[in-house]
Amino acid sequence: QKEVEQNSGPLSVPEGAIASLNCTYSDRGSQSFFWYRQYSGKSPELIMFIYSNGDKEDGRFTAQLNKASQYVSLLIRDSQPSDSATYLCAVIDRSASKIIFGSGTRLSIRP
Amino acid sequence: DAGITQSPRHKVTETGTPVTLRCHQTENHRYMYWYRQDPGHGLRLIHYSYGVKDTDKGEVSDGYSVSRSKTEDFLLTLESATSSQTSVYFCAISAQQGASNQPQHFGDGTRLSIL
Repeated sequence: QKEVEQNSGPLSVPEGAIASLNCTYSDRGSQSFFWYRQYSGKSPELIMFIYSNGDKEDGRFTAQLNKASQYVSLLIRDSQPSDSATYLCAVIDRSASKIIFGSGTRLSIRP
Repeated sequence: DAGITQSPRHKVTETGTPVTLRCHQTENHRYMYWYRQDPGHGLRLIHYSYGVKDTDKGEVSDGYSVSRSKTEDFLLTLESATSSQTSVYFCAISAQQGASNQPQHFGDGTRLSIL
């Protein structure tokens, strides 16, 4: 079992709709959780982080964390074509010694 | 943007040759990381450094070595490059390790092809 799992996609969402991206992790002791966006041919860019159960909102983005179920999700409201990218979920392990990345979900926003 | 510069940005070389990639930062951050990114595998940690001359292995360290003689520079060396090391290599930095408000910031990457 991979430590951090994401559906590779592609996830196709119409413009203006809500895009929902999910991530599960295997280590119950994991601490902080991050979402990175990566455009094709570019480097990952941090867009959200969360470490407490519940929701965290930043503009059109909402990160949701459920430690009991070991999943973290990212919601993108009012999706725009510029949101088309690969989204990487990342988790800091219980020892806080390293950050583990999922393989990413490719999101495509169709006009 | 975080002050991270990777060089070279692109390199093509032959199997068996040594290759060194450089990561330079202007942020004075303590932690520096080397990742490789391949389709279907996401980002995988090769080596990381927690200070000058202090380094440790990641999950895919075989065939790679690193050095950090100055805070600002972290070098990744492929002693004898193989075709399986063809990949995109990213350097990342962070002020603290494992801190929720101190995530890693990435350089622009080096695309390395081993023929």
